[in-house]
Amino acid sequence: EPEVTQTPSHQVTQMGQEVILRCVPISNHLYFYWYRQILGQKVEFLVSFYNNEISEKSEIFDDQFSVERPDGSNFTLKIRSTKLEDSAMYFCASSGTLRQGAKLDNQPQHFGDGTRLSIL
Amino acid sequence: LAKTTQPISMDSYEGQEVNITCSHNNIATNDYITWYQQFPSQGPRFIIQGYKTKVTNEVASLFIPADRKSSTLSLPRVSLSDTAVYYCLLNQGGKLIFGQGTELSVKP
Repeated sequence: EPEVTQTPSHQVTQMGQEVILRCVPISNHLYFYWYRQILGQKVEFLVSFYNNEISEKSEIFDDQFSVERPDGSNFTLKIRSTKLEDSAMYFCASSGTLRQGAKLDNQPQHFGDGTRLSIL
Repeated sequence: LAKTTQPISMDSYEGQEVNITCSHNNIATNDYITWYQQFPSQGPRFIIQGYKTKVTNEVASLFIPADRKSSTLSLPRVSLSDTAVYYCLLNQGGKLIFGQGTELSVKP
């Protein structure tokens, strides 16, 4: 079964440094998402991306964050200047094909296993 | 705010059927009801999604009454490996809003 893959599994970075988290969504999916989960807390939505632009973003997704789909397969999340409070698990998800019967953007999101980001 | 309400925790024994009920009184016409499972240090894993009546797949069933204000996830014959957090979500396209989920503990 196709799956969302994320690299690296664990990233350790000094505060103030830039970090790029990488994701390879399921190949025929059209919608892409980033979520984060701080240890012991709920999964929180960060951003959704469709047709090469941001569809929606949360209050967490400030100017320090950016997303990009640099080629046909990767989807990246960049944090420009990391802070201690950015330490969390970051999950990428994808959804949406043209083949399934449901409305395109109601189709289930499939998540990767995350990147654990530790800011020192 | 999460749009759904579900029990914080449930206990079960191996081999039993587990039913987790979720309330979503303010469900909108376009919302689909979606359930995820999450193990520690892993991403949420899609279990099942439905709009109305009953949906069944190889791992679970989802029962949705006509008014769609609640839903019940049914896990047949659970095993120890089903110990996880289960989330009930409304999918209207775009962001998913996660609550605290139901922490299911399966005992031998």
